Amino acid sequence: TQLLEQSPQFLSIQEGENLTVYCNSSSVFSSLQWYRQEPGEGPVLLVTVVTGGEVKKLKRLTFQFGDARKDSSLHITAAQPGDTGLYLCAGTHYGGSQGNLIFGKGTKLSVKP
Amino acid sequence: ETGVTQTPRHLVMGMTNKKSLKCEQHLGHNAMYWYKQSAKKPLELMFVYSLEERVENNSVPSRFSPECPNSSHLFLHLHTLQPEDSALYLCASSPTGHNYGYTFGSGTRLTVV
Repeated sequence: TQLLEQSPQFLSIQEGENLTVYCNSSSVFSSLQWYRQEPGEGPVLLVTVVTGGEVKKLKRLTFQFGDARKDSSLHITAAQPGDTGLYLCAGTHYGGSQGNLIFGKGTKLSVKP
Repeated sequence: ETGVTQTPRHLVMGMTNKKSLKCEQHLGHNAMYWYKQSAKKPLELMFVYSLEERVENNSVPSRFSPECPNSSHLFLHLHTLQPEDSALYLCASSPTGHNYGYTFGSGTRLTVV
């Protein structure tokens, strides 16, 4: 089974703190995506990483794809209440049919004012 | 209206009812997807349509029946559902090919009573 394990499952922090969430697998991915989902809404794409070792920044969010293309991390600097949500990673394997995007269970982040 | 639009947002149905979920996108995407999101589980892919042809059916029970009349519209027809089918049903679209991010709708919160 090609699983994506996300950790931690839950994270509750104060505004202004830094945090890192992880996405790990035993299999190699051609790309990894990160999404944020707010209650009552669908996931919204944040970033796609495709090259091993790649680092992408989106304002206070930093995404990294592992050198071996099996894992990824999301680091948030100076978290704000607006960052609250469910963070999902999703990976695509090489080859395969359309729609072979595999999702992790997500990290539920709560940022308190 | 931009993005992916799903209707209805909420649906309560009895086990003997027949209902349909609707999804619409005008992003020019050629692939559309139905996902099921239940508590404590990863997003589960149900159906994939690419260029209006179904390419994936992940052993979904026959009480769920998809329809894709054109590249902009996707339906999920529901009949004789079970209480365990209660979940958030998400529609998504993307360009065909791999490594593209998905655009999700806000979902239909389905409750089967």
